[in-house]
Amino acid sequence: DIQMTQSPSSLSASVGDRVTITCQASQDISNYLNWYQQKPGKAPKLLIYDASNLETGVPSRFSGSGSGTDFTFTISSLQPEDIATYYCQQYDNLPRGFTFGPGTKVDIK
Amino acid sequence: QLQLQESGPGLVKPSETLSLTCTVSGGSISSSSYYWGWIRQPPGKGLEWIGSIYYSGSTYYNPSLKSRVTISVDTSKNQFSLKLSSVTAADTAVYYCAREPMVRGVIKDGMDVWGQGTTVTVSS
Repeated sequence: DIQMTQSPSSLSASVGDRVTITCQASQDISNYLNWYQQKPGKAPKLLIYDASNLETGVPSRFSGSGSGTDFTFTISSLQPEDIATYYCQQYDNLPRGFTFGPGTKVDIK
Repeated sequence: QLQLQESGPGLVKPSETLSLTCTVSGGSISSSSYYWGWIRQPPGKGLEWIGSIYYSGSTYYNPSLKSRVTISVDTSKNQFSLKLSSVTAADTAVYYCAREPMVRGVIKDGMDVWGQGTTVTVSS
């Protein structure tokens, strides 16, 4: 089984700060990596797919990069509405399946 | 605009079977471009994929839950359903349904449309 780790588990930053979250897979997953935002009491929202592609309608301050085992998610300028928990998710086609990372909680300092 | 809505009992007794339904509106569950999935989130914890189904009935399950999970589809009602047997307190969670795009049989993008979630508590 592929295991996903994320760091940090939580962070506190100021409005306007650049925020970076890392996600690591236990084995090579190519670019089969998505990022989600989940606000309290709400369903997750897809932000980035296939490691670096911005989902339609998602602000351009969000970005993703990486391939293989190491991935990065960045908010270029943190906004108050970005307070949420962010999850990476790897997927596999053989067989079909998904594994989420443990999440990173982002707060405003 | 496509919408997904989960429904089912909010309270299930230990050892019994949890049953939930996801109703798809604003689009057809019989589209060849999507699988339909269930994901859960225990209180204060992370997300866990439970399994997915295609309109033809083809299913994939999380190996850790496979022995207890059945996902089925009813195209006439535009619904798909989850059954989880022999539940314990560890199955207490918010259960979400979601759409999973695909192209030529392989996953494309991510889970792009989600239901609002429904809370299920396992308790006697």
